[in-house]
Amino acid sequence: DTGVSQNPRHKITKRGQNVTFRCDPISEHNRLYWYRQTLGQGPEFLTYFQNEAQLEKSRLLSDRFSAERPKGSFSTLEIQRTEQGDSAMYLCASSLTYTEAFFGQGTRLTVV
Amino acid sequence: QKEVEQNSGPLSVPEGAIASLNCTYSDRVSQSFFWYRQYSGKSPELIMSIYSNGDKEDGRFTAQLNKASQYVSLLIRDSQPSDSATYLCAVNRVGAGANNLFFGTGTRLTVIP
Repeated sequence: DTGVSQNPRHKITKRGQNVTFRCDPISEHNRLYWYRQTLGQGPEFLTYFQNEAQLEKSRLLSDRFSAERPKGSFSTLEIQRTEQGDSAMYLCASSLTYTEAFFGQGTRLTVV
Repeated sequence: QKEVEQNSGPLSVPEGAIASLNCTYSDRVSQSFFWYRQYSGKSPELIMSIYSNGDKEDGRFTAQLNKASQYVSLLIRDSQPSDSATYLCAVNRVGAGANNLFFGTGTRLTVIP
């Protein structure tokens, strides 16, 4: 296990389509975070899981976004009815509780 | 008020100089503090963590934490052109309904050869 893995690395989709991203955390990590980052901005918190429980969601996260972490292992982030404003880098990170979080390579989404 | 605030820069220093990056946070219950480096088009990479007041040194990097002032800083000694990147401050906030890791907007550092 060499780190956090995200797939796909790049995704181009047409407006209105649904997309799903996958994150495989470091195996012993119980926390998993999803962030969105646009150019010139820091990572913006979307949601996080403690094991399989989704403990917090950003108020900025519309109901088009949903995330799951079945069995407390990998996680998926789905965006329904994509909009051009959803174009961003989607970052996943994992950690043990309150310790260092390590990021995956990210998934760059382009909505055309 | 933002959870974590950083001067966006850009900050330019000559090669070999000390680069000083600063960060303030709003929530006194914050417990863990981190600095990440992010190269353009890449994901953030952890470079330092600090959990208690004082200084923590790791090679050319020193993190400083002052919880009373709600202030975290990162010093980079003998700056190299390869240090040119955006530096993100992150704070792990702990409290009822608010256990989370928040990031600042980052400070862009340029080291001039």
